[in-house]
Amino acid sequence: DIQMTQSPSSVSASVGDRVTITCRASQSITTYLNWYQQKPGRAPKLLIYDASSLQSGVPLRFSGSGSGTDFTLTISNLQPEDFATYYCQQSYIPLWTFGQGTKVEIK
Amino acid sequence: QVHLVESRGGLVKPGGSLRVSCAASGFDFTDYYMSWIRQAPGKGLEWLSDISSTSSHTKYAESVKGRFTISRDNAKDYLYLEMNSLRAEDTAVYYCVRQHRVTGGGLLFDYWGQGTLVTVSA
Repeated sequence: DIQMTQSPSSVSASVGDRVTITCRASQSITTYLNWYQQKPGRAPKLLIYDASSLQSGVPLRFSGSGSGTDFTLTISNLQPEDFATYYCQQSYIPLWTFGQGTKVEIK
Repeated sequence: QVHLVESRGGLVKPGGSLRVSCAASGFDFTDYYMSWIRQAPGKGLEWLSDISSTSSHTKYAESVKGRFTISRDNAKDYLYLEMNSLRAEDTAVYYCVRQHRVTGGGLLFDYWGQGTLVTVSA
């Protein structure tokens, strides 16, 4: 299986900050990398697919980049509703695997 | 509008069995692969299994292979997960999830149910 490792595990930030989360795959996954946001008690929500494509309805302050083994999710101008846990997920080779999550907390 | 609604989970004793179902609506169910994904309390997401649109292909995570069975009823727009030989470590919220393959791109999980809690405890 492909292992997905996110860093950091948690980050404290303030409204208006720029936050960057990284995700590393144990082998190349080209650009088959998705990002999800999950708020407490809620199901995850797709934000970014294929490393850099924004899902319909997702605010433009979310962006993704990367290819191969290293990927980044950036949240520009952090908003109150962005405090949540973020997961990366590879779709290159089944079985589909997720990173362990990064919690974005209020500073 | 896409809706995925899981059946109520419940409390099951170790070694016991449970079947959870998922009612799909708002899209052509027969066009999509479907998955089950779970989340143990306070933990991350774990993909468990998926099934092709015609049920001809299924895949399972090693953690549930041989114990869990995914199935679907396209006439009723239902997805199922039969869970046998349940263990304490199977305690989790189980999500029914629609898979979508982007043309020329990868696979993504674009719609999720609200989840159903399955607790395995004596």
